Amino acid sequence: DAGITQSPRYKITETGRQVTLMCHQTWSHSYMFWYRQDLGHGLRLIYYSAAADITDKGEVPDGYVVSRSKTENFPLTLESATRSQTSVYFCASSDTARGHGYTFGSGTRLTVV
Amino acid sequence: GESVGLHLPTLSVQEGDNSIINCAYSNSASDYFIWYKQESGKGPQFIIDIRSNMDKRQGQRVTVLLNKTVKHLSLQIAATQPGDSAVYFCAEYYSGNTGKLIFGQGTTLQVKP
Repeated sequence: DAGITQSPRYKITETGRQVTLMCHQTWSHSYMFWYRQDLGHGLRLIYYSAAADITDKGEVPDGYVVSRSKTENFPLTLESATRSQTSVYFCASSDTARGHGYTFGSGTRLTVV
Repeated sequence: GESVGLHLPTLSVQEGDNSIINCAYSNSASDYFIWYKQESGKGPQFIIDIRSNMDKRQGQRVTVLLNKTVKHLSLQIAATQPGDSAVYFCAEYYSGNTGKLIFGQGTTLQVKP
């Protein structure tokens, strides 16, 4: 199916474990983004990518790693999960960096215990 | 620093009435302002945007007004329907900010039948 998909939908992990959130889009959009959403903070940009093999930090990149070996995939890895990383994570893609082209996935709710 | 904020965290309106959601921004150099709608359990969805050189833009049942003098953005929804119940985010895009989109914290719109 065409679109942007995130997996898993829900994840519970323990403090200190590594966890990877997956994001896949079928439009061949150049830009992809990872946001986290927390009460009181809205959506905050973690990392973004302008093309395959090009990534850059957003507002809150500490504790996260991204890669983009293929245009359609943009996984987000928490190298050593902490409770403060409990959040809802949204992936988005766009053919431009401007906001009117963003399409968001349905999100991954991550709980770190 | 840069900030995009919303005046009211929750707005409750009667079905059929018009809704006005407000947003303040601080970066006078932003190129675009965008409104997103987020329904429960879903990712944000683009509603409408406005370029910084415009004062008003209309869509289907929605109008966005931009007042650059006081750095204020508003979203007007005509004849509000139960399906409009959601969280609404404003966001600003500045091309000089390496393409990052900055979101406000969101306003919850509740539509009473």
